[in-house]
Amino acid sequence: DTGVSQDPRHKITKRGQNVTFRCDPISEHNRLYWYRQTLGQGPEFLTYFQNEAQLEKSRLLSDRFSAERPKGSFSTLEIQRTEQGDSAMYLCASSLAAGGFTDTQYFGPGTRLTVL
Amino acid sequence: AQSVTQLDSHVSVSEGTPVLLRCNYSSSYSPSLFWYVQHPNKGLQLLLKYTSAATLVKGINGFEAEFKKSETSFHLTKPSAHMSDAAEYFCVVSDSGANNLFFGTGTRLTVIP
Repeated sequence: DTGVSQDPRHKITKRGQNVTFRCDPISEHNRLYWYRQTLGQGPEFLTYFQNEAQLEKSRLLSDRFSAERPKGSFSTLEIQRTEQGDSAMYLCASSLAAGGFTDTQYFGPGTRLTVL
Repeated sequence: AQSVTQLDSHVSVSEGTPVLLRCNYSSSYSPSLFWYVQHPNKGLQLLLKYTSAATLVKGINGFEAEFKKSETSFHLTKPSAHMSDAAEYFCVVSDSGANNLFFGTGTRLTVIP
């Protein structure tokens, strides 16, 4: 399967712990996105990379959140000092730059985080 | 600023009858519009996409949507519902060329046998 993959699929942690999620995009895609989806809501944009550069961050991305894409391939999203409000599905998407139009983003299956 | 309103949180149809999922959008510039479907425990899948070409957009699995600028709408339709269509559907807007997508709150489609 050559789609977007995410690891782990589920993560349960205690409040105050740090967690890290990984996303592997479709191999030829140069853009990578992170979204958060809470129960009963649509996904909300967090941040996006073009190659290794982080070009945009949402106000939702507090100081406890950090994302990296060190070699322009896979990406990690770390949450420090987790809070119960961080419980959500974290979605990764990737795309190929479309030259003027909004890219078509392809989504991974998500990582479901539960903070106890 | 972009936003999307999905007018129905839940739609229920009988198998073989038409499907209509309603979406209104707000966008400062020329928008790109999408419909995504999310089946339980599966990732979001693109159904169709509008990017200022033909206003009637055909997607996968028999779905289509019509962009109506005067009504700021992008409703999703299908002539005949199938059991496998039962899922959560999201209407999505982005300013053309922008990279962040704005999702609606979703419409859950139930198909009754």
